Amino acid sequence: DIQMTQSPSTLSASVGDRVTITCRASQSISSWLAWYQQKPGKAPKLLIYKASSLESGVPSRFSGSGSGTEFTLTISSLQPDDFATYYCQQYNSYTWTFGQGTKVEIK
Amino acid sequence: EVQLVESGGGLVQPGGSLRLSCAASGFTFSSYWMHWVRQAPGKGLVWVSRINSDGSSTSYADSVKGRFTISRDNAKNTLYLQMNSLRAEDTAVYYCAREEPGTSKKGAFDIWGQGTMVTVSS
Repeated sequence: DIQMTQSPSTLSASVGDRVTITCRASQSISSWLAWYQQKPGKAPKLLIYKASSLESGVPSRFSGSGSGTEFTLTISSLQPDDFATYYCQQYNSYTWTFGQGTKVEIK
Repeated sequence: EVQLVESGGGLVQPGGSLRLSCAASGFTFSSYWMHWVRQAPGKGLVWVSRINSDGSSTSYADSVKGRFTISRDNAKNTLYLQMNSLRAEDTAVYYCAREEPGTSKKGAFDIWGQGTMVTVSS
């Protein structure tokens, strides 16, 4: 099974900071990677699909990059609404796997 | 409005059974693959199961294979998860989610329900 490893597990940042979260796959997944944002008590929300495509309605400060085994989610200027937990998720050959999550906290 | 609404969660004893439902509205349900994803209290997201558009193909996580069964009724726009032989480690919020196959969104879950809590305890 493909394993997804996110880093860091927790990130402390201030409003306006540029934030980068990394996700590594245990084997190549081409570009079949998505990123989600989840707030406490709420369902996850799709931010990025196919590694770098921005979901409709998601602010342009969110961007994704990478292919193969290494991927990044970048928030160009952190806003108060962005403090949440972020998950990467891969799709490959009828298997779907999430990373363990990265909690973005207020510094 | 595009919406998924789960129901059927609750408290069940170890070894018991429960059936979750997910009612879809606002989109052509029969065109989408559907998934169940769960989240134990304070933990991360875990994919559970998937069913294709017409219900002819299913996939399961190893942790639930042989105990859970995913199904759908496209006439009723409803997804199901039959959970048997439940264990304490199955305690979680269960979400249904939509995937649009055959497009650049393949593999991603663009619409999620609000979740339904399943607690397995004596």
